[in-house]
Amino acid sequence: GAVVSQHPSRVICKSGTSVKIECRSLDFQATTMFWYRQFPKKSLMLMATSNEGSKATYEQGVEKDKFLINHASLTLSTLTVTSAHPEDSSFYICSARGGQGNRYGYTFGSGTRLTVV
Amino acid sequence: ELKVEQNPLFLSMQEGKNYTIYCNYSTTSDRLYWYRQDPGKSLESLFVLLSNGAVKQEGRLMASLDTKARLSTLHITAAVHDLSATYFCAVDMVYNTDKLIFGTGTRLQVFP
Repeated sequence: GAVVSQHPSRVICKSGTSVKIECRSLDFQATTMFWYRQFPKKSLMLMATSNEGSKATYEQGVEKDKFLINHASLTLSTLTVTSAHPEDSSFYICSARGGQGNRYGYTFGSGTRLTVV
Repeated sequence: ELKVEQNPLFLSMQEGKNYTIYCNYSTTSDRLYWYRQDPGKSLESLFVLLSNGAVKQEGRLMASLDTKARLSTLHITAAVHDLSATYFCAVDMVYNTDKLIFGTGTRLQVFP
């Protein structure tokens, strides 16, 4: 089956620093990757959609300059939280869709818990 | 703007009882997903419903889809403690704007 690896699972960083989160599709080519953010006891909020080799499409209200998304290959997408602040602390989850005819549907990574201190 | 709403948001139920979680969405879609999330974890896929009238069952959970009513249900039969988790439905916008939008979530707590 389709597997998506997300790394790191947990990260603590100081305010003002940048953090990069990786999302890899291990056994299929992900034509599209999605990044979600989840606050405690809340639903998943779609932040952006990225296709390999093109710029990400951000949802309304998501700061493009703060949340940099790169989808450089069909198996890797990265989310960089720039100049992180405590309010950026959250659970970030990536999702990949791909395979022939998108037969794998949506496969989710294990999530990254970001804490900014 | 697509809205996906679940009802109830929180459900506390006794073991052995039955209950249904409802998922309403506001736009046309032929694909609906159900996921389970345990605290601190990512999502576990439960069901994929691909057409009107689709019904799928796995153990004590059964999901159905009515695309005309824009409604999906997740029915729990004879609940057990292990089913305690948060359940999300999600609507696939692939034919429109190519994204998966999640419902508000239902936090299920099953007690003895």
